[in-house]
Formats: sequence, structure tokens, C-alpha cells
Amino acid sequence: EDQVTQSPEALRLQEGESSSLNCSYTVSGLRGLFWYRQDPGKGPEFLFTLYSAGEEKEKERLKATLTKKESFLHITAPKPEDSATYLCAVQARTGGSYIPTFGRGTSLIVHP
Amino acid sequence: NAGVTQTPKFRILKIGQSMTLQCTQDMNHNYMYWYRQDPGMGLKLIYYSVGAGITDKGEVPNGYNVSRSTTEDFPLRLELAAPSQTSVYFCASSTTAGAFFGQGTRLTVV
Repeated sequence: EDQVTQSPEALRLQEGESSSLNCSYTVSGLRGLFWYRQDPGKGPEFLFTLYSAGEEKEKERLKATLTKKESFLHITAPKPEDSATYLCAVQARTGGSYIPTFGRGTSLIVHP
Repeated sequence: NAGVTQTPKFRILKIGQSMTLQCTQDMNHNYMYWYRQDPGMGLKLIYYSVGAGITDKGEVPNGYNVSRSTTEDFPLRLELAAPSQTSVYFCASSTTAGAFFGQGTRLTVV
């Protein structure tokens, strides 16, 4: 069974204080690892897809990296508008279909 | 660019009532999903579809039904609503490169 564990559950940062969120996974035959951002009362918003160990993707203050067992979402010099829940999902091929499995998310609050 | 559209946004049901949550996407994606999200529990897959006419159960299908008659539409049917179905429901469509979500339906069963 595919497993996705995100840590920490919650993170409070001061504006400008860089940090990282972790997503560890066990999956048979990874076909993609995804990061999403979710604001309160809204649906998740797609951020990144990573496919293989060593791959990195960047967007503004966010950088996602991938190893064979985990992914990190690095947040550099965060701003209050980066406050959100960040979700990680892994996708494997299950019976011919691609089904993503989500972690429980990390709730990030950035204080001004 | 509408993306994934869900209706309604909010609904209160009485125990035993039925309803259909509507989901439409305009990106011509074959894959569509229904998730429920409870506080602190992440997204749980209810049903998914890999194309028109093809649906399959996810992790938590009991009490729900789906159909996929067209590529665009993927409605979720709740029969005999129970308090345990109080949740926020999200519909999504995807390619293998990532999913796009609707804004959600907040359902309360009383």
C-alpha cells in the first residue's frame, strides 16, 4: 500500500525565516510526486511535479526536490502570503490507472 | 478558463435525504476523481474515472455512487445521507502530470 507522510504537521515562521517541509513516501513504481498549495476554503492548487530522484523544480520562493524516499519543499525568505497548507501526493500505476495518494499536509503560517 | 467547476458550494442535508454533487471540467482530461477532506485527515479518494463509461472505487466508496457518461461530467451521488458524510468534497481532473481541483462543496448532514 502506498504511504505518504508529511512533516511537520504545522510550522510557524517569521517573515524571512527560511525552512523546509518534508514528504516521505513508500510506493511501488513512482510515476510522479506532486506538491499542492491549499488556502482555507479553497481547492488544492497545483505547484510542482517531480518524476525522478535528483530532480528539482522552482517557483518564486519555493523549491521542490526529490530523492528515492522523500521530497522537500524549501521555502526561502517566506512572506505572509505564503501561509497555506501544503499537500504532497505520490502517483503510482495501479491496475493500469494512475491514482494519486495524498499526505495529510503541513500547515504553514508566516508571521510578519 | 473555467477548469473544474463544482456545484453547489454549500449544502445542508437531513439524515436520509439524497443529493447529487455536480462536477464539470473543460480541459478534456480523461482522469477525474472525487475526494473528501475532513479536518486533519487529508484527502481521501471516494471514486475515480479513467474515461467516459469507466469508473472505479477508491478508498472510501461506501454510501456514494458515480457515473461518467461524458468526458466533461463526473457527478457524485449520495444516497441516504448520514452524519458521517459531513465533509468537504473536492472533484479533480488530471493528466499524469498533475491534477486540477474544483473549489469544493461543503456538505453538512444533520
